[in-house]
Amino acid sequence: NAGVMQNPRHLVRRRGQEARLRCSPMKGHSHVYWYRQLPEEGLKFMVYLQKENIIDESGMPKERFSAEFPKEGPSILRIQQVVRGDSAAYFCASSSRDRGTNYGYTFGSGTRLTVV
Amino acid sequence: AQTVTQSQPEMSVQEAETVTLSCTYDTSESDYYLFWYKQPPSRQMILVIRQEAYKQQNATENRFSVNFQKAAKSFSLKISDSQLGDAAMYFCAYRRLSGNTGKLIFGQGTTLQVKP
Repeated sequence: NAGVMQNPRHLVRRRGQEARLRCSPMKGHSHVYWYRQLPEEGLKFMVYLQKENIIDESGMPKERFSAEFPKEGPSILRIQQVVRGDSAAYFCASSSRDRGTNYGYTFGSGTRLTVV
Repeated sequence: AQTVTQSQPEMSVQEAETVTLSCTYDTSESDYYLFWYKQPPSRQMILVIRQEAYKQQNATENRFSVNFQKAAKSFSLKISDSQLGDAAMYFCAYRRLSGNTGKLIFGQGTTLQVKP
């Protein structure tokens, strides 16, 4: 049973380009969370999605960032017109029910985005 | 708003010795979960141990145990018989039980060095 798969593992974008980060949750998981980790900091919650629904986007920047989790396919975190400050590691986590499980949830290995 | 604070940016321990990592949190909730996650250089977030706030008994997982002081809002991690493979960044995290979101709130992290 494969874990949470994130790709790409590393992504380099020039300022002004778009970045698309993908997350395939564990088999049977229908809840996805995205977190951002800036250098030397802890993870910060961005958004919580269920299939075709955004449940909590209180951590998402108001502009340029969007997320989706379609009925079929992976969850996508999209950053438009990237700036240097978007450089960070972006983690996805999944769980089989809402609010995670008693054991927290399973994290992917993250995508490190570098904006040059 | 809930916050999590790890006041030790770096700690070191001699192999086979015991080390304690500190974590305090602030919340007005009475029911919640607390977690310790390990992040090795591979970036993978690994759940080390969890604690339900309603349980008075401190959680233990092999060489890892916690000292949960609910009144003091303190949640420290003790690693016994430290091994070289324990070297990593450790994050304390909080999750409220109520509401429809399972987002985790992380501390800033503690880098643990294990000396042979």
